[in-house]
Amino acid sequence: NAGVTQTPKFQVLKTGQSMTLQCAQDMNHNSMYWYRQDPGMGLRLIYYSASEGTTDKGEVPNGYNVSRLNKREFSLRLESAAPSQTSVYFCASSEALQGRGGRRNEQFFGPGTRLTVL
Amino acid sequence: GENVEQHPSTLSVQEGDSAVIKCTYSDSASNYFPWYKQELGKGPQLIIDIRSNVGEKKDQRIAVTLNKTAKHFSLHITETQPEDSAVYFCAASKGLNNAGNMLTFGGGTRLMVKP
Repeated sequence: NAGVTQTPKFQVLKTGQSMTLQCAQDMNHNSMYWYRQDPGMGLRLIYYSASEGTTDKGEVPNGYNVSRLNKREFSLRLESAAPSQTSVYFCASSEALQGRGGRRNEQFFGPGTRLTVL
Repeated sequence: GENVEQHPSTLSVQEGDSAVIKCTYSDSASNYFPWYKQELGKGPQLIIDIRSNVGEKKDQRIAVTLNKTAKHFSLHITETQPEDSAVYFCAASKGLNNAGNMLTFGGGTRLMVKP
């Protein structure tokens, strides 16, 4: 059981380049999330997917797009990278978007992708 | 939207001492408050959580308290050990109802336990 996996681990881009960050989970979770982590700012939600076939904007969606390819995979795309997108990106998953008690709320995080945009 | 503030940003304690990290939140509708531990080079990992219908929860050396009236919650670590050194994040969500499980995180606390 690998949990949540992310690729790549590190990436350096030039301004204007595009790339896709990949995320997959093997826990049969319905909901998946993308966060970015910047120093002193905690983690901020970029996009989330409540279930296969649905995606919604989070707190900081500008400059990003997402695709929920299937139940396992949720990718994050930067169409034209900017230095302000230099960050560590984390993917997470949870059993459901609405917890209603029990362990359904818990979000499991991947190891992160460190992205630098020059 | 929700705003979560966390203090202190860094905390240094001697091994065996207690550590306390405090968070305040702004949205009174929030009802789920997890705490995450992030070790160097890894993703955050849930260590304890509390729901709005309880005031305190304990799991071995860690405990969390919640004051809904004041809208603040705290993480308490007793008998700290060097392996407790990490960055800790508090978070809040309305995850227990149809408003959704999106987490709003605090800015993090870097805890250093000196042997």
